[in-house]
Amino acid sequence: EIVLTQSPGTLSLSPGEGATLSCRASQSISNNYLAWYQQKPGQAPRLLIYDVSTRATGIPDRFSGSGSGTDFTLTISRLEPEDFAVYYCQQFGGSPLTFGGGTKVEI
Amino acid sequence: EVQLLESGESLVQPGGSLRLSCVASGFSFSRSGMSWVRQAPGKGLDWVSTITSNGGSTDYADSVKGRFTISRDNSKNALYLQMSSLRAEDTAIYYCAREWYGHFDFWGLGTLVTVSS
Repeated sequence: EIVLTQSPGTLSLSPGEGATLSCRASQSISNNYLAWYQQKPGQAPRLLIYDVSTRATGIPDRFSGSGSGTDFTLTISRLEPEDFAVYYCQQFGGSPLTFGGGTKVEI
Repeated sequence: EVQLLESGESLVQPGGSLRLSCVASGFSFSRSGMSWVRQAPGKGLDWVSTITSNGGSTDYADSVKGRFTISRDNSKNALYLQMSSLRAEDTAIYYCAREWYGHFDFWGLGTLVTVSS
């Protein structure tokens, strides 16, 4: 099983600042099957990024993904008030499919 | 508009059984792999099970293998999860989601399953 470790656990920032979230895999993820989700309290997760760096439909370009192998990053260039949420990475390069533990971005 | 609507909240006793349903609209359900993902209260996301578009192949997390069964009825645009031998640790919000090339692009609102005596 591929274990995804997200860091930091919590990121305390202000609107307008940039955010860098890390996702590290215990093994190399094949086929670039690495995605990122945003989840706000009481809501379902929302797909932000798939295949490491492709933004999902309707996702603003302040969100970007990068990385390869075992190290991946979600970058939010300028935090908007609605971006404060929990972010999860997820891989499907190896079975079973797994999620990271999440990074909370708080004000 | 894409919609995934799971069945209502449920309270079940340990050792009991429950069937979850999810009805889809707004996309080609019969061409889509579908999954269940759960989230225990205050915790992260856990994949539970996936079924291919024609129902010919299924996969399960080790934690539910042998206890849960995923199925679908493409004529009704419906996805199901039959859960048995339920345990307290199965308490979670259960989301149905479309699995598309390794990621989940559409999610339901979720349904809370509570396993408690």
